[in-house]
This record gives sequence, C-alpha cells and structure tokens, in this order.
Amino acid sequence: DGGITQSPKYLFRKEGQNVTLSCEQNLNHDAMYWYRQDPGQGLRLIYYSQIVNDFQKGDIAEGYSVSREKKESFPLTVTSAQKNPTAFYLCASSGQGYQPQHFGDGTRLSIL
Amino acid sequence: AQRVTQPEKLLSVFKGAPVELKCNYSYSGSPELFWYVQYSRQRLQLLLRHISRESIKGFTADLNKGETSFHLKKPFAQEEDSAMYYCALIATNAGKSTFGDGTTLTVKP
Repeated sequence: DGGITQSPKYLFRKEGQNVTLSCEQNLNHDAMYWYRQDPGQGLRLIYYSQIVNDFQKGDIAEGYSVSREKKESFPLTVTSAQKNPTAFYLCASSGQGYQPQHFGDGTRLSIL
Repeated sequence: AQRVTQPEKLLSVFKGAPVELKCNYSYSGSPELFWYVQYSRQRLQLLLRHISRESIKGFTADLNKGETSFHLKKPFAQEEDSAMYYCALIATNAGKSTFGDGTTLTVKP
C-alpha cells in the first residue's frame, strides 16, 4: 500500500562510499523518522524531523546525515564515517500531536 | 534519558491461553506509549496506543504510571497473533521516539 515509500529495497555500498536512502510520504505528515534495525535488536533512532527545514539527532546519529527540504521527503545519507553500516533501515512518519507512526518497507544496506 | 525495556525476547503460548507481553519505560515527563506489531512479511504497524484506551484484536494495554509499565494483554491467544511486538514511547517534550527491542510471540496450536 502507499503512504510511505522507501527506495531502493536493497542497496550495496563500497568501502569509503556515501550512499543515500530515499523516503517519501504522501500522508501530509509533519514528522518523519529514520531507524536502524540490527538482528536481534529493536529499532534505534538515527534522526527525526518534526517540521520542514528542521531535524534533530537521535540516539545513533554518528556517521549519518539527513535533510528535510520538503515536507514529503526525508533522505538519509550513510557516510563513509559510519564504520558498520550493514543493517536494515526503516523510515516512518506521523501527524501532529504525537500521532502513531506509519512505516515504510525498509531498505537493506550491505557492504561489498 | 528515555528508555523502553521489553524483558522477553521470545514468548511462546498455546492457543487459547492468556498472554502478556511486558513493557517497562523510564521517562521523567508524561509519555505517549504505543504497541506496534509486525506480522510475517508485513510492515510494522500500530496495534494500539495508551491514550485511546481501546481493545484492538482482543489486545489491551494499561498504562501504570506507578510501576512505569505498559504491558500488553490478551485473554485468549490465537495462532494469528504470532508476530513481533514492539513497545514504543514518544517524549512529549521533544517528539523523540524510543522503541524496545521487541518480543517475538509464538502461539502454538
């Protein structure tokens, strides 16, 4: 179903390379989030944004960067500074007033 | 700092038995608490939130501020309840979200 679209589904990165994960939503939500999920672990917050042109670091922001130039888009860049980028990445969005989050299907990033 | 703890990684019950998935949190303010569920090959989705105080698919969860808990309960588990369950908190002073590590529930026939 629609709502939140993450692309690509699978992504491969070479050592020393930056890669960008896409997240688009058509729910008119103000807030957007990026999470990292490792095997056997829960979701850990990387970055979140409550409004356009503003974002805050989550618990594991080092080695990642984001932008929020448009309400519907919240791309995540995994930089070469992230030493262990292999993981499953989930994007989410929510409406105002701490509404429940809607999630995408995720992007699985692997290192070549 | 805010924290969510789900002490059981795995939980297995028989069909028709009661089930309780535990969630404890730490947060100095007044939290917004949620339970999310992920069924096999599906997206993570909302199951219920504490403020709505409703029952979804037979599940209920009561916020106990004294014990800082938000346990998820169902009196009679069904096989289709088998899934991964996450407890989550949103800090109302900053909008930051925190998830627990999740509990995998298996309901055996």
